Amino acid sequence: GAGVSQTPSNKVTEKGKYVELRCDPISGHTALYWYRQSLGQGPEFLIYFQGTGAADDSGLPNDRFFAVRPEGSVSTLKIQRTERGDSAVYLCASSSTPGTGDGYTFGSGTRLTVV
Amino acid sequence: ILNVEQSPQSLHVQEGDSTNFTCSFPSSNFYALHWYRWETAKSPEALFVMTLNGDEKKKGRISATLNTKEGYSYLYIKGSQPEDSATYLCASLLYGNKLVFGAGTILRVKS
Repeated sequence: GAGVSQTPSNKVTEKGKYVELRCDPISGHTALYWYRQSLGQGPEFLIYFQGTGAADDSGLPNDRFFAVRPEGSVSTLKIQRTERGDSAVYLCASSSTPGTGDGYTFGSGTRLTVV
Repeated sequence: ILNVEQSPQSLHVQEGDSTNFTCSFPSSNFYALHWYRWETAKSPEALFVMTLNGDEKKKGRISATLNTKEGYSYLYIKGSQPEDSATYLCASLLYGNKLVFGAGTILRVKS
């Protein structure tokens, strides 16, 4: 596609429920990143995929968070047993080169609200 | 822990004013410095990726400089316009392709 697409754009869920957030990167971009932005803070790294594999998942806050990219394109971020503290904007980005190149292309994010 | 700091936190200027923001980052193990502009309800947009000490980059009325030895970068906007209103984020690239972001500078330009 022309840009990075994230769905849904907004998600309201009840505490304890399971949610999936989807990211469709730019075609051909091998690197895919998930970030989370809480109010008043900068985006916080969650996980980085190179192809199908998670090259760095050190930012996932706990084992309730999991992400996959089975075919090296679309990625899904999965959150189990959601908590109110998970409320944030979840950003996805992709790139064709390592971060010394042209910068990342971001999606417009999924705003997750846990009530 | 790598801390990327941005100042000021927010800035209100009049149309036509020139302005600048600061990004500071640890100078050890430096790989690259990214600047992004993030308008409300849109995607963060890459402005510059800078890698070399002394680098200066320009895009229209916006320019940036980089000092990797002392660990800071400045972003300048000349003749601010209302459409420049956005959050400006800087981020330092760590080994392993991980970007660490600052909290951003919110710019509001009044017409």
